Amino acid sequence: AQKVTQAQTEISVVEKEDVTLDCVYETRDTTYYLFWYKQPPSGELVFLIRRNSFDEQNEISGRYSWNFQKSTSSFNFTITASQVVDSAVYFCALSELNTDKLIFGTGTRLQVFP
Amino acid sequence: EADIYQTPRYLVIGTGKKITLECSQTMGHDKMYWYQQDPGMELHLIHYSYGVNSTEKGDLSSESTVSRIRTEHFPLTLESARPSHTSQYLCASSEIQFSSGANVLTFGAGSRLTVL
Repeated sequence: AQKVTQAQTEISVVEKEDVTLDCVYETRDTTYYLFWYKQPPSGELVFLIRRNSFDEQNEISGRYSWNFQKSTSSFNFTITASQVVDSAVYFCALSELNTDKLIFGTGTRLQVFP
Repeated sequence: EADIYQTPRYLVIGTGKKITLECSQTMGHDKMYWYQQDPGMELHLIHYSYGVNSTEKGDLSSESTVSRIRTEHFPLTLESARPSHTSQYLCASSEIQFSSGANVLTFGAGSRLTVL
């Protein structure tokens, strides 16, 4: 069965600190996709990244970076030099091939204080 | 600029009332979804649709119903609201990707329902 675990319920940091959000997944499929979404206080979930199971390269986008490790079934998300605008709930999600359904983790609420 | 619209954003109603949460998207996406988000933040898929006249129940059992008469419109209805229906409801859509499972969902801002 598919499962996504985000063990960190809430993280608080001070601006300019680096922060890593953990995501561990379970799947029996060999082909799957992993996602990160951001939910700001306005409510809508905003897509951040999609990664397929055959691409283990780490990705960097500005202050955001993602570390995908199949050996540990993890897809961690790091924000470098955090800013107050990064305050949001972040969701990791998993989708297996041919299911079209996203299985979300329980989310990590990040609070960045000035 | 939102491409997927949900109304109302907030609704407080009494027990037993019938309510419809509206969801419309302007992207021409075939696939649409309804997620229920509980106060603990967890998101559960309650309905989805692959296109007009196609509706399926999601992983979480829900007393709500949906319809898909037009591609752009995917309303959710509760015939008789109860306090247990109090939640945030998020609508989403996606286009058919090159391979199933890779869909990037575009979400609406949500409808927060409170049933007294």
